[in-house]
Amino acid sequence: GQNIDQPTEMTATEGAIVQINCTYQTSGFNGLFWYQQHAGEAPTFLSYNVLDGLEEKGRFSSFLSRSKGYSYLLLKELQMKDSASYLCAVSSSGGSYIPTFGRGTSLIVHP
Amino acid sequence: NAGVTQTPKFRVLKTGQSMTLLCAQDMNHEYMYWYRQDPGMGLRLIHYSVGEGTTAKGEVPDGYNVSRLKKQNFLLGLESAAPSQTSVYFCASGTGDSNQPQHFGDGTRLSIL
Repeated sequence: GQNIDQPTEMTATEGAIVQINCTYQTSGFNGLFWYQQHAGEAPTFLSYNVLDGLEEKGRFSSFLSRSKGYSYLLLKELQMKDSASYLCAVSSSGGSYIPTFGRGTSLIVHP
Repeated sequence: NAGVTQTPKFRVLKTGQSMTLLCAQDMNHEYMYWYRQDPGMGLRLIHYSVGEGTTAKGEVPDGYNVSRLKKQNFLLGLESAAPSQTSVYFCASGTGDSNQPQHFGDGTRLSIL
């Protein structure tokens, strides 16, 4: 099976930088996704990592360390609209492509 | 460009009633999924399908049934609704490739009284 851990809630100030961590234990790791979900809306794709290192996309970056079973999502220049839940999902190899989701991290950005 | 469409968006049922949630996708995706999302629990997989005519159980399948008669549609049925099934239900679709994300519908908010 898979075990995925994320902090339940984080708060940050507008304009600041925040790092949301995700740790996982899985057999046959085959990639990690980050999704953003605003309250009352559907999750939307942010990033995908399968190799170690940092992937940058504008204000958002995602990092992966396969040996440590660890990823983080880095949000820079925080805006109020970044207040949302951030979901980490891990895909494992062997059989059907069925990713497992963590419980999500609720980020609150305040002025 | 519709993507993934779920109907209905809201529904209130009485205990013991039955209903079907419909999910339709126009992206020609092979894989489709049904999740439920409860506070503090994240997205939990109910059932999924890897192609037309196939279905498989996920993490929390009890009390639900599914059908995938057409590639573009994935139906989730509750035969005898229970209050524990009060939740937000999300449908998703995908290509089945491990490096491709899932595409989610807007959700169905279901309350069982």
